[in-house]
Order: sequence, then structure tokens, then C-alpha cells
Amino acid sequence: AQKITQTQPGMFVQEKEAVTLDCTYDTSDQSYGLFWYKQPSSGEMIFLIYQGSYDEQNATEGRYSLNFQKARKSANLVISASQLGDSAMYFCAMNLLQGAQKLVFGQGTRLTINP
Amino acid sequence: EAQVTQNPRYLITVTGKKLTVTCSQNMNHEYMSWYRQDPGLGLRQIYYSMNVEVTDKGDVPEGYKVSRKEKRNFPLILESPSPNQTSLYFCASKERDVTDTQYFGPGTRLTVL
Repeated sequence: AQKITQTQPGMFVQEKEAVTLDCTYDTSDQSYGLFWYKQPSSGEMIFLIYQGSYDEQNATEGRYSLNFQKARKSANLVISASQLGDSAMYFCAMNLLQGAQKLVFGQGTRLTINP
Repeated sequence: EAQVTQNPRYLITVTGKKLTVTCSQNMNHEYMSWYRQDPGLGLRQIYYSMNVEVTDKGDVPEGYKVSRKEKRNFPLILESPSPNQTSLYFCASKERDVTDTQYFGPGTRLTVL
């Protein structure tokens, strides 16, 4: 079965610093996708970035990049030059590329950006 | 505007009173899903649907029903709600391709007394 682990319940970072949110995953499948979502205090789930298991390059989307280390089964999110608006809950998730297209989520990391 | 809508956004009800949370998407997506979010547990899938009239159980289906009579709608039904179903519920949709991103509705906060 798939499993996502986010070991940082909370993180505090100074504005403009870079921040890395950890995510490790467990699956015996070779084909899978990894996602990061942001959940601000308003509650909605906002898609940030996607990495496929066969993608050789790390995914990037603006200030977000995904540090994908397949052998270590890690998919850390890196936010460069953090902003106050980055304060939110962040979820790592994965789905298998075969069968039911279910997203399995980690427990989440609450990121707080201090001015 | 492409979106997933849910209604109601907030609901307080009592044990045993049947309720339905509606979900609608305007992106012509084939895949739709329901999740519940509980503190410390992240989001867990309740039910999903790969297409009209095709539904299947997720990880936590007990106490819930769904139907998919039209492509755009995927209501979640709680026949006899109980306090342990107090949670934040999200509907999501995506294209059929496995690499496509799931887009989430705004969430429905349900309290069962």
C-alpha cells in the first residue's frame, strides 16, 4: 500500500528565506505521481507542483521546486524567497499510475512565515 | 471559470438526519472523488468515480453513499450521520489521464451533534 510521511508538523521561517518541506513516500510500484498542495487558512486546496516517477528533471513552478530523489523515496518541496502569503498547511500526496487514481496524502506541515 | 463547487459550505446537523452534500464541476472531467480531512490524518478518500454510473470505494467508505448519474455531478450522501463523521469534506475532479492534477472544491465543513 502507498504511504506518505511528512515528519515536520510545523515550521517557522523568516520572510525571504528559502524553506524545504520534507516528504517521503513508500510504494512498491514503479509508476506513480507526486503532488504538493497548499491549504491556506481559508481552507481550499491549491495545487502547487507535480512530479512523475519517470521524470528525470526535478519539477519547477515559479518559486516552487520539487527535490525528487527516487532512490531515497523522497519528494521535498522547496520554496525560494518565502513570502508572508506562503503561510499555510502543505500536503504531499501521491497516486499510482495504474488502477484507481486515488491520491494518498501525508499528514501535512504547517508553515509559518515570520516578517 | 473552471471550478468545482460544493454545497453547502457549512452544515450543522444532528445524529441520524439524512443529508446530501452536492458537488458539481464544469470542466467535463471524467474522474471525480470525495475526501475527508481530519486533523493529523491528512485527506482520505471516501469514494471515487471514473465515469458516469461507475463508482467505487476509497479508503473510508463506511457510512457514505455516492451516485454519478451525470458527468458533472457527484453528490455525497450520509444516510444516518454520526458524530464521527464530523469533518471537512472535499470533492475533487480531474481528467482521465493518470498524470492529471486533481482540482478540489472549496470544502464543506460538517458538524454532526
